[in-house]
Amino acid sequence: NAGVMQNPRHLVRRRGQEARLRCSPMKGHSHVYWYRQLPEEGLKFMVYLQKENIIDESGMPKERFSAEFPKEGPSILRIQQVVRGDSAAYFCASSRQGNQPQHFGDGTRLSIL
Amino acid sequence: EDQVTQSPEALRLQEGESSSLNCSYTVSGLRGLFWYRQDPGKGPEFLFTLYSAGEEKEKERLKATITKKESFLHITAPKPEDSATYLCAVPFDGSGNTGKLIFGQGTTLQVKP
Repeated sequence: NAGVMQNPRHLVRRRGQEARLRCSPMKGHSHVYWYRQLPEEGLKFMVYLQKENIIDESGMPKERFSAEFPKEGPSILRIQQVVRGDSAAYFCASSRQGNQPQHFGDGTRLSIL
Repeated sequence: EDQVTQSPEALRLQEGESSSLNCSYTVSGLRGLFWYRQDPGKGPEFLFTLYSAGEEKEKERLKATITKKESFLHITAPKPEDSATYLCAVPFDGSGNTGKLIFGQGTTLQVKP
């Protein structure tokens, strides 16, 4: 009975590199959400996706960040040309329907050197 | 602007000392309020959903209640294993979909034996 799976759990990148974070939703869930938790701050919504579609990306920075949820495979959050300020914990959540409780993975902790 | 405010920020209790955590929200047209528990290094774990004023949900030593303006998480006779950060969240109403959750800053509970 696997929950939401995120990998890697920890990711270290140097400034200017790319970071790819993966999220496999719970079985039977087709709605995926990404949140970011900066040190000493609360969880902030980034993007909401349903299979092959971006539903709401209002919380995602306009530059360098992108997300996808292909028909097959995990959802990917991609950060290009990372900067120190991108250091944070990135959490993925999934739900069966859009108005149902979201279940979270244990996050990817991204550190930028 | 939709907001969620939790108080207190931190709470220390002795084992067996009951207390309540508060979550105040300002949203136009509540479509659910969610309580989560987050342990260090982990993702939020779903606890309860409340949909309308007067509703109550219980799970072991936890009981969640809600009015039109706030929700409470009551902890009865807590144990050290209840130590965690408790988060509440509401769906953002602005865009018409409920995918985006707005989280409070959380209450960090420490229960001493």
